[in-house]
Amino acid sequence: DGGITQSPKYLFRKEGQNVTLSCEQNLNHDAMYWYRQDPGQGLRLIYYSQIVNDFQKGDIAEGYSVSREKKESFPLTVTSAQKNPTAFYLCASNSRQSTDTQYFGPGTRLTVL
Amino acid sequence: DQQVKQNSPSLSVQEGRISILNCDYTNSMFDYFLWYKKYPAEGPTFLISISSIKDKNEDGRFTVFLNKSAKHLSLHIVPSQPGDSAVYFCAASESNYQLIWGAGTKLIIKP
Repeated sequence: DGGITQSPKYLFRKEGQNVTLSCEQNLNHDAMYWYRQDPGQGLRLIYYSQIVNDFQKGDIAEGYSVSREKKESFPLTVTSAQKNPTAFYLCASNSRQSTDTQYFGPGTRLTVL
Repeated sequence: DQQVKQNSPSLSVQEGRISILNCDYTNSMFDYFLWYKKYPAEGPTFLISISSIKDKNEDGRFTVFLNKSAKHLSLHIVPSQPGDSAVYFCAASESNYQLIWGAGTKLIIKP
């Protein structure tokens, strides 16, 4: 089955530690995105990538880093510089033929203790 | 500065009745609008969309209406069912890869 997978579903980390969230898609999509969702707020764009080896900052990129070494994978690292990292993180992708309709992974709930 | 606004954080509707979710936007360059449905601890799923060249799009129980002059769109669900209870996000695009999202409206369908 084609889709987007994110792992793990729940993640706990101590304050000051970097943590990497996984996102994999087998939909052959060119573009991939990372969003953050907080209670009472819409989805806010962290980073996006339209092609392998290229990515751009979104609205709230500070404290995060990404890589896009393979088309299928777009991992997100939450660094210790991110001041409020506890949130629900969503990965999405879309194809060139359907640039506006994004497909989402199940999400990762990160809790920093 | 929110370009896409969903002013109702929550909405409660009786099962079988019509649910109307509203969304306002400020950017007149938006030309594509989407509604997503989200259950707790899951990623959003695409529900229905509308291009700015149309004023209505219907898919089964779901209809989206677009009023460009008022910069307003709405999602109608008729009849409402218990499984419709979820958070609904409105999103808009200016023909690029970036979607601008509203804050979401939590819809509760009462039996």
